[in-house]
Amino acid sequence: GAGVSQSPRYKVAKRGQDVALRCDPISGHVSLFWYQQALGQGPEFLTYFQNEAQLDKSGLPSDRFFAERPEGSVSTLKIQRTQQEDSAVYLCASTPGRQGGNTIYFGEGSWLTVV
Amino acid sequence: TQLLEQSPQFLSIQEGENLTVYCNSSSVFSSLQWYRQEPGEGPVLLVTVVTGGEVKKLKRLTFQFGDARKDSSLHITAAQPGDTGLYLCAGEEQTGANNLFFGTGTRLTVIP
Repeated sequence: GAGVSQSPRYKVAKRGQDVALRCDPISGHVSLFWYQQALGQGPEFLTYFQNEAQLDKSGLPSDRFFAERPEGSVSTLKIQRTQQEDSAVYLCASTPGRQGGNTIYFGEGSWLTVV
Repeated sequence: TQLLEQSPQFLSIQEGENLTVYCNSSSVFSSLQWYRQEPGEGPVLLVTVVTGGEVKKLKRLTFQFGDARKDSSLHITAAQPGDTGLYLCAGEEQTGANNLFFGTGTRLTVIP
């Protein structure tokens, strides 16, 4: 596709429910990032993939958060046993190269509300 | 933890006025980026500054990177309603780093 595509755009989950958020990066982009953006805040880094390898997961807030990119293209962010504090916009981004300093292209985000 | 503090947090001005948004940190960054984010959208890159003291202009927007590469400013001349949005600065702590540290954001509203 022309841009980074995320689905679902909006998700309401009951506390304790598992959710899966999907990201389709720009075709051919090597690097993929997940960010969490709470209401009224700037995005915060969650995890980084280079192709299928998860090279940095230092931003994942707990072991309930899990991300994968098995074939080096589409990525899924899974949140188990959702809590109210997980309510946020989850942004996916991709860049063409392996190193930092590239232009980062963001998707529109998946808005998660935990009730 | 937000390494980058932006001010002001909210700004509401009349069309045609000038404004400056500040992005400050105690950390040194190898590069700093400015993004604009509209409701329901992801952030869109406006500019990247790399060299201390660097000034870049993008039409009515002027971006400056501090000499010590710890701070930056965004100045908008003759603001227009289309400039309305959330402005985010984001720093890369070291060259080749794979994640950005985003600022707290400045929500700008330009009133026609």
